Amino acid sequence: EPEVTQTPSHQVTQMGQEVILRCVPISNHLYFYWYRQILGQKVEFLVSFYNNEISEKSEIFDDQFSVERPDGSNFTLKIRSTKLEDSAMYFCASREQGVRRGYTFGSGTRLTVV
Amino acid sequence: GQSLEQPSEVTAVEGAIVQINCTYQTSGFYGLSWYQQHDGGAPTFLSYNALDGLEETGRFSSFLSRSDSYGYLLLQELQMKDSASYFCALNYGGSQGNLIFGKGTKLSVKP
Repeated sequence: EPEVTQTPSHQVTQMGQEVILRCVPISNHLYFYWYRQILGQKVEFLVSFYNNEISEKSEIFDDQFSVERPDGSNFTLKIRSTKLEDSAMYFCASREQGVRRGYTFGSGTRLTVV
Repeated sequence: GQSLEQPSEVTAVEGAIVQINCTYQTSGFYGLSWYQQHDGGAPTFLSYNALDGLEETGRFSSFLSRSDSYGYLLLQELQMKDSASYFCALNYGGSQGNLIFGKGTKLSVKP
């Protein structure tokens, strides 16, 4: 079964530092997403990406965040100047053209800002 | 804005049937999805309702009523491995694929 791969699985960073979270979506998927989940809370939408550009972003996704698809396989989320409240599990997801088969989520990167 | 309400916890016994309800408020959406998440794991897609009615996938069924702003996930023949959190989510956005999740229902299956 194809998987969405995320690295690293855990990341600890100091407040104010920049982090890059990496994802390899499923190869024939067209839509890519980043979501986050603060411990014990619901999953929150950050950004969607299609055709090499951002298609939609939430109010959480401010200038501190950016996404890139630098080559044909990787999809990255960069968080500049991290804050304590950025500590969360960050999930990458991808899907096919249609929505009936849902998203495939990666296993997540647990980001801890200290 | 959009919001979804689900019970926070449900407990059932192995072999039983359980229904997890989801009510929502939205100005527009394409469909209602359900995801399962085990502790520390990634959300896993279970079901999607674009139209009113019942969708069946093995032991899991999902229902949507747009007129009642209501849906549910039905789990039959419960197994211990079904103990997890279950999230309903609204599909919205230009690509139909952006999701707004509910807070989740933690299902505990007892022997």
